[in-house]
Amino acid sequence: AQRVTQPEKLLSVFKGAPVELKCNYSYSGSPELFWYVQYSRQRLQLLLRHISRESIKGFTADLNKGETSFHLKKPFAQEEDSAMYYCSIGSRLTFGEGTQLTVNP
Amino acid sequence: ETGVTQSPTHLIKTRGQQVTLRCSSQSGHNTVSWYQQALGQGPQFIFQYYREEENGRGNFPPRFSGLQFPNYSSELNVNALELDDSALYLCASSLDWQEPYNEQFFGPGTRLTVL
Repeated sequence: AQRVTQPEKLLSVFKGAPVELKCNYSYSGSPELFWYVQYSRQRLQLLLRHISRESIKGFTADLNKGETSFHLKKPFAQEEDSAMYYCSIGSRLTFGEGTQLTVNP
Repeated sequence: ETGVTQSPTHLIKTRGQQVTLRCSSQSGHNTVSWYQQALGQGPQFIFQYYREEENGRGNFPPRFSGLQFPNYSSELNVNALELDDSALYLCASSLDWQEPYNEQFFGPGTRLTVL
């Protein structure tokens, strides 16, 4: 069975600091991996997907098959990045429990 | 192009009752998925419908059932409500589940409280 683990429920950083949200997964085969984000009072929306290999809002995520990880990174966090972030896998999404990121001024 | 909509926004039911939640997908989206999100948890996959047929189901009992209609609307029905069914129910539509990495577009959710 596929499974996603986000070890940190809460993460707090200062503006301009680097941020890394961790995600580990278990999946047999080639995984389709996503990061979804939910800003305050907004609906859940796609942030980025593994296949795109592009930076969205300054965020990138690299798939490490050896470590079965798909960590989300941004070199310089901004206050508007404060949100709930969910790592997810598959075409019928299996979500992690989410990490609430707070970027302090 | 309008986004995914859900109704009602909030709902209160008592244990043992039945409930129907509704979702309107984005036009042209053949796939709709339903998720249950308990407080403090990530969304959990309930089931998925593709072209009006059930196309995958998560670990939920048969009292959770669904329908998808040709007009891009869908329903989630829950019979014999239990207290643990209290949660936010999300629907998400996508163009075609068979497309790799297809993006799911989420509705705002229906908050169900079972007393």
